Amino acid sequence: ETGVTQTPRHLVMGMTNKKSLKCEQHLGHNAMYWYKQSAKKPLELMFVYSLEERVENNSVPSRFSPECPNSSHLFLHLHTLQPEDSALYLCASSQDGTGGEKLFFGSGTQLSVL
Amino acid sequence: TQLLEQSPQFLSIQEGENLTVYCNSSSVFSSLQWYRQEPGEGPVLLVTVVTGGEVKKLKRLTFQFGDARKDSSLHITAAQPGDTGLYLCAGARSGGYNKLIFGAGTRLAVHP
Repeated sequence: ETGVTQTPRHLVMGMTNKKSLKCEQHLGHNAMYWYKQSAKKPLELMFVYSLEERVENNSVPSRFSPECPNSSHLFLHLHTLQPEDSALYLCASSQDGTGGEKLFFGSGTQLSVL
Repeated sequence: TQLLEQSPQFLSIQEGENLTVYCNSSSVFSSLQWYRQEPGEGPVLLVTVVTGGEVKKLKRLTFQFGDARKDSSLHITAAQPGDTGLYLCAGARSGGYNKLIFGAGTRLAVHP
């Protein structure tokens, strides 16, 4: 496989469930990102990891918990979500995480919270 | 808060027509990127513009960065159904980690 792979592609969960989103990049990049994409809104940056260290936590509620065990894998752990958290969650990677770098996105996980 | 405003939000045209979409901000960016996102997929980078006044061409797509590096435009000549998608602009700041500011996008539909 090449590029950035996200699983699952679709997820439906109740407000009391716990689930995890997975992202894997095969590009040898050192930085990985989680973005939230809601209809008619700009992409919202949630978390940035550079060399497995979190460098940005963009005022995201604690019900979203990221994990970056190595530079190729990124997880987003979800618990007690709200219906307004329903959105497309995109993972991306870039070479070093420095300003203005090209982002490579996965296909996203379409999340529905009931 | 830095904002990037894209216009129009939606555009529905016939194959063969020309169109221009805009990306405007009151802030200066060190560079600006344009992405295209097709249904069910993540955004894919089309071009990066860096210098004020820069013009880049990608086949039928022409990208321009404003002289003051606050705005950009994308012009498509003779649109084709394959151009259908969500066009996103993203502004970058120099220094620090990569924190792109995205616009909400222009959704383009090109009908045969």
